[in-house]
Amino acid sequence: GQQVMQIPQYQHVQEGEDFTTYCNSSTTLSNIQWYKQRPGGHPVFLIQLVKSGEVKKQKRLTFQFGEAKKNSSLHITATQTTDVGTYFCAGPWDSGGSNYKLTFGKGTLLTVNP
Amino acid sequence: DTGVSQNPRHKITKRGQNVTFRCDPISEHNRLYWYRQTLGQGPEFLTYFQNEAQLEKSRLLSDRFSAERPKGSFSTLEIQRTEQGDSAMYLCASSTSNYGYTFGSGTRLTVV
Repeated sequence: GQQVMQIPQYQHVQEGEDFTTYCNSSTTLSNIQWYKQRPGGHPVFLIQLVKSGEVKKQKRLTFQFGEAKKNSSLHITATQTTDVGTYFCAGPWDSGGSNYKLTFGKGTLLTVNP
Repeated sequence: DTGVSQNPRHKITKRGQNVTFRCDPISEHNRLYWYRQTLGQGPEFLTYFQNEAQLEKSRLLSDRFSAERPKGSFSTLEIQRTEQGDSAMYLCASSTSNYGYTFGSGTRLTVV
């Protein structure tokens, strides 16, 4: 069955607007990772979160890991056209907590209107 | 370090034919993974190597699929008797322990 739910599936914004995608798990995770895939490209690793309540920032991107380690979010401030792509969360749902096998969510496709 | 390299980039084959894809991981990475991705979906796990040992294979992978990683370096993924349902992007990734994957550009397979 579905182990991870990513919402929304699609998000269209005007350039300059903010964007948030959410990743929810039914089980506690040892860590969660985020990837970005540009149209026609391959997934590119963005970040890994490990600690409960952890917040990490990369320029306009803010990543958060929930206190219960069951959910995570990615927030982009003031989107730009270069932010277009699909954002995936990925976690070790099936690998006994080790990192070796990641299960990916279905992703959130972000499009930005210039 | 040129990242993870996959060949070929595209493959069109007739149903029933065998195909083989190659992946050259980042040399310092001991872990290598194969994933499959179809349109609108996230990457789906196929198999995993630590050095030359294949430690896990997805239940989704039929007997027509086989992967090898001789000497713990490059890896090959072979699909025998291809079916139209095998059409997808096949992604290879490598990593060191407990950190993010580096994906290759993938091999897009089209079975006609």
